[in-house]
This record gives sequence, structure tokens and C-alpha cells, in this order.
Amino acid sequence: GENVEQHPSTLSVQEGDSAVIKCTYSDSASNYFPWYKQELGKGPQLIIDIRSNVGEKKDQRIAVTLNKTAKHFSLHITETQPEDSAVYFCAARVGSARQLTFGSGTQLTVLP
Amino acid sequence: EAQVTQNPRYLITVTGKKLTVTCSQNMNHEYMSWYRQDPGLGLRQIYYSMNVEVTDKGDVPEGYKVSRKEKRNFPLILESPSPNQTSLYFCASTTGERGYTFGSGTRLTVV
Repeated sequence: GENVEQHPSTLSVQEGDSAVIKCTYSDSASNYFPWYKQELGKGPQLIIDIRSNVGEKKDQRIAVTLNKTAKHFSLHITETQPEDSAVYFCAARVGSARQLTFGSGTQLTVLP
Repeated sequence: EAQVTQNPRYLITVTGKKLTVTCSQNMNHEYMSWYRQDPGLGLRQIYYSMNVEVTDKGDVPEGYKVSRKEKRNFPLILESPSPNQTSLYFCASTTGERGYTFGSGTRLTVV
């Protein structure tokens, strides 16, 4: 089955700096890659997603890039703010299946 | 408001005492799923359901049961809970077009 690896497990950045979280996937049939943000005491929330026919997608300060050849995708957060502090999960979905396979998560801390 | 509702939010129980965690969604989603979240292990799928009366095992189904008698409800049943089932549990649903909508979580402690 699909396997998703996520790095780093923890990341600390100064407010205003950029943060990058990287994920790799194993199944070349994966075609949908969402990113989730989980704040303390809450369930994960979808923040951005990308499909395999697109190389990059941006939404304000958040962007996701996908390299299908290398089977990796990344989340980029620019101009980080304290409210960006949370756990971030990447995920991948194979073909027409509805199941998502998740990475192990990244604890992002934005230092004021 | 479109949402997935789990109950209870917190539960402390003793080994072997049967319990049920309820999950309900109001978005008419066909697909529902249960995950457990443990430190360093991310989100691991327990069971999922493609539609009413259709359920299947995920990656870590041992010790759990589910049922899907109605489209909106997908309860998670622990017939004989053990301490290794102490975890944070999430229910999620989707149409399949985009990612999941998650509930707020149930923190279960088995002593």
C-alpha cells in the first residue's frame, strides 16, 4: 500500500520567516495530496490540496509544490505568524480510492 | 453548519468495559472513517465505510468494531478495551472529491 514519509517532525522558525515541510510518497498512482493543520485540542483541518496534474498551488501565504517524478510534495508557509503554530499533516490518495494515507506530522512553532 | 460530531470528547474507562464512541455527519457523505492518533505515529486508519452496510478494515482494526446502519452515523465500538487503546480518536467523512472533514476528536484513556 501507499506509504507517506514526512520531515521534519519538529520545526521552529522566527516570526516572519518561511517554513517548509516535505513529504514523499511511494505509490506512483497517487494523484491527490492534501495538507491538514491541527491546532491544539482540535481535529485536523484541510488547508490546501493539490492534484497530480498541477505542479504548484498557492493560497495567500501558503503554497504546495508537487514533483511527480521524484514522488515528493512540499508545503511552504511564508511570512509566518504565531497563529501558524500547529501540527501539520501531509497525505496522499491513490487513484479513485477515497482513503488517505497520512504522514507522521510536523510540529511547527513560530517564535515571536 | 457542515460538520462531523463525535461524542464524548473525553472518556476514562476501565479495562474490559465495553464502550461506544459516536460519530455523526450532516453533509450526506458516503465515505466515513475512524483514525487514531498517537505521538510520533501520525493518523492511522482503524475502519472505514464506503456506504451504508459497507465497512472494511483499515491499518489497525484489532480490538475495534464499527457499524454503518445509517448514512450519517458511524459508531466505533470497543468490546473489551485495553490500555493500548488509550489514544486520541478522530472520525472523518468525505464525498471523495476532496479531503476529509474531521470531527473534534475523542480522547480515550483505558486504565
